[in-house]
Amino acid sequence: EVQLLESGGGLVQPGGSLRLSCVASGFVFKNHAMNWVRQAPGKGPEWVSGINNGAANTYYADSVKGRFAISRDTSTNTLFLHMNNVRVGDTAVYYCARVHSDYYQTNGPLEFWGQGTLVTVSS
Amino acid sequence: EIVLTQSPAVLSLSPGETATLSCRASETIGNNVVWYQQKPGQAPRLLIYDTSNRATGVPARFSGSGSQTGFALTISGLATEDFAIYYCQQRRFWPLTFGGGTKVELK
Repeated sequence: EVQLLESGGGLVQPGGSLRLSCVASGFVFKNHAMNWVRQAPGKGPEWVSGINNGAANTYYADSVKGRFAISRDTSTNTLFLHMNNVRVGDTAVYYCARVHSDYYQTNGPLEFWGQGTLVTVSS
Repeated sequence: EIVLTQSPAVLSLSPGETATLSCRASETIGNNVVWYQQKPGQAPRLLIYDTSNRATGVPARFSGSGSQTGFALTISGLATEDFAIYYCQQRRFWPLTFGGGTKVELK
């Protein structure tokens, strides 16, 4: 059974930093592209970042480019989102999501999602 | 970036009725549209990918159609568990973008 378990969310002040983790199980992590998607309270989903299976290619929404960094560790089956210089507008539930098994591209359909971790940016 | 406009914002229907949800793209995106279902307190769930392919375990009452800039999700014979919010997403161009959602509510 595919499982994605996010952690690392919490309350952070504007300008601060946070690292989100997503531990994957139930599939061969190194074979799949992964993405982060966030959802502000009462709003629709917003794609944040993606990384291909080999970590050679990364992609970012303009709203986070230069502040966030996505990475992955195959030895621990973990996806990361490093968040720097956070803003109030970054407040959201952050989901990690795995690309559909029929697609190797990072922009493939998002087949499996974690339960999310809440990031609150406030002074 | 590609803007996806979903309509209507809210659809009030009774069980057994047919729901037709629309998603319009600001530019042509071929067939690269994806549909998700989301219920309160849950992550989105993949329903349909590349316009018309049902994800594993999705009932046959869900179907997708369209191309280029106009897409639709049809739920034929609403079941009680189908009352939720539905989002379309395009995966043809970076950045990936989502529509604003259509809430299917119980009439």
